[in-house]
Amino acid sequence: SAVISQKPSRDICQRGTSLTIQCQVDSQVTMMFWYRQQPGQSLTLIATANQGSEATYESGFVIDKFPISRPNLTFSTLTVSNMSPEDSSIYLCSVPRGRRHHEQFFGPGTRLTVL
Amino acid sequence: QKEVEQNSGPLSVPEGAIASLNCTYSDRGSQSFFWYRQYSGKSPELIMFIYSNGDKEDGRFTAQLNKASQYVSLLIRDSQPSDSATYLCANRISGGSQGNLIFGKGTKLSVKP
Repeated sequence: SAVISQKPSRDICQRGTSLTIQCQVDSQVTMMFWYRQQPGQSLTLIATANQGSEATYESGFVIDKFPISRPNLTFSTLTVSNMSPEDSSIYLCSVPRGRRHHEQFFGPGTRLTVL
Repeated sequence: QKEVEQNSGPLSVPEGAIASLNCTYSDRGSQSFFWYRQYSGKSPELIMFIYSNGDKEDGRFTAQLNKASQYVSLLIRDSQPSDSATYLCANRISGGSQGNLIFGKGTKLSVKP
């Protein structure tokens, strides 16, 4: 497995503001992934953060709302912009491991509440 | 729309019994399947993965995959109260980005002492 840390662990934010979530991994990885888990829902992939290139966003997610940075092979940030209460969720980063790099290991998550 | 379906539960079993968790998926081309355990307030923890038809055993856990039926299950033998958690089934979408796992909503398991 991997040692993955996220900051902040939780936050309460006001509508219209932005929050940047950090993800740090203990070893270099080519790809890092950002997921969202809304209350009572399953995890949904937001985007793949690639070092040295633009992030790849999944359907329904756009860069203006969720800008991502990947300055090196052990770190990434996800910003939730212009927040609304619908953005209240747990945000998780994950990294691939394993022989086929198909297994994913998740960070502890960031619990966001938007008032 | 590619989906993963799980019974939300709660599934309640007595301590020492076998817990059986089931999952169906719609992506016929998917080749990789995963079971995650998620304790309340925690992030998902990978406990099993399976790529081939049949059974895969790891300690008290057995994953079973039937690609023809698009069905994957997780058996937990000698269930313990510490196994009480939500179990998420996921598969990697065929043709999608490497990270694109589709998750079910999870089955809540309760193991009674």
